[in-house]
Amino acid sequence: QKEVEQNSGPLSVPEGAIASLNCTYSDRGSQSFFWYRQYSGKSPELIMSIYSNGDKEDGRFTAQLNKASQYVSLLIRDSQPSDSATYLCAVIKDSSYKLIFGSGTRLLVRP
Amino acid sequence: DADVTQTPRNRITKTGKRIMLECSQTKGHDRMYWYRQDPGLGLRLIYYSFDVKDINKGEISDGYSVSRQAQAKFSLSLESAIPNQTALYFCATSDPAQQETQYFGPGTRLLVL
Repeated sequence: QKEVEQNSGPLSVPEGAIASLNCTYSDRGSQSFFWYRQYSGKSPELIMSIYSNGDKEDGRFTAQLNKASQYVSLLIRDSQPSDSATYLCAVIKDSSYKLIFGSGTRLLVRP
Repeated sequence: DADVTQTPRNRITKTGKRIMLECSQTKGHDRMYWYRQDPGLGLRLIYYSFDVKDINKGEISDGYSVSRQAQAKFSLSLESAIPNQTALYFCATSDPAQQETQYFGPGTRLLVL
């Protein structure tokens, strides 16, 4: 079992729709969770971080964390073609301070 | 100016050659990391360093070595390059005071022939 799992996609949504990206993790002791966006050939950039159960909103982005289900998600409202990218879920395991990445979900927003 | 820089940005080398990838940062962070990225595999940690005197292996350290010359500089070496080390390499930094948010350099695209 991979430590951080994501559906590779592509997830295709029309412009203006809500895109929902999902991630599960295996280490129940994980404490910190991140979503990075990566355009093709570019470096990852941080979109959202979340540390406690519930929702965290920042503009069009909402991160949701459910530690009991070991599940973290990212919602993108009013999706734009410029949101088309690969979204990487990452988790810090409690004892290691190392960031473990999922393989990413490719999002395509159709004009 | 970029906070995390990497040189070179692109490199083509031959099997058996030794090469060095360099990373510099102006963020003042103690923690630095080297990752490689292959299509469909996400980012995998090669080495990490929590301060100048601390070097730790990541999940795929075989065939690589690192040097932490100063707080701001962290170099990755391939002692004898092989074709399956062809990948995109990223350096990153983090600060525990910022909940370990990692900041990435622009990447080095390496091709080993």
